[in-house]
Amino acid sequence: DAGVTQSPTHLIKTRGQQVTLRCSPKSGHDTVSWYQQALGQGPQFIFQYYEEEERQRGNFPDRFSGHQFPNYSSELNVNALLLGDSALYLCASSSGTNSPLHFGNGTRLTVT
Amino acid sequence: EDQVTQSPEALRLQEGESSSLNCSYTVSGLRGLFWYRQDPGKGPEFLFTLYSAGEEKEKERLKATLTKKESFLHITAPKPEDSATYLCAVGTNYGQNFVFGPGTRLSVLP
Repeated sequence: DAGVTQSPTHLIKTRGQQVTLRCSPKSGHDTVSWYQQALGQGPQFIFQYYEEEERQRGNFPDRFSGHQFPNYSSELNVNALLLGDSALYLCASSSGTNSPLHFGNGTRLTVT
Repeated sequence: EDQVTQSPEALRLQEGESSSLNCSYTVSGLRGLFWYRQDPGKGPEFLFTLYSAGEEKEKERLKATLTKKESFLHITAPKPEDSATYLCAVGTNYGQNFVFGPGTRLSVLP
């Protein structure tokens, strides 16, 4: 039973560029959440998708956008990259409001 | 504003030396408290969910407890393979997201 898979694992981009990160949820899960984790800090909530719609959003600018597909997979897009966007981007899937999150191993984004 | 703090920031133990990690939270309505383990370069791995004060959960050398203001992760006779960052997170009644604490970096020396 495959867990949450994310691609790519590492990415290097230049300031001002755009990036797309991808996530496939754990089998049986219908909800996908994205988190940003800076070095030495806990994950920060970006947004959550359910039934192909953004259900809740954290305190992130509009440069961060997402999408969920009918097969529950999801993408995170970041436009106009800033140096401060360098972080580990984690995708987590779940089923049900109070069920725990299951995380992938993340995409390490470096902006130079 | 919902807030989660963890202490200590880092903890070094000798193998077999038991200790506890603390997670303190301030939320308007607790939907659940979750403990995760994170190894370097990996995503967080789910350990426990606690829903109400007085609840306890155990898994191998780990035991999590919950009060109305905080949770403790007790580690009994730790081994070097228990070295990791331990994160706690809370879910609130009015949102779908989880608020994470900054984590405690645990090192267990042989």
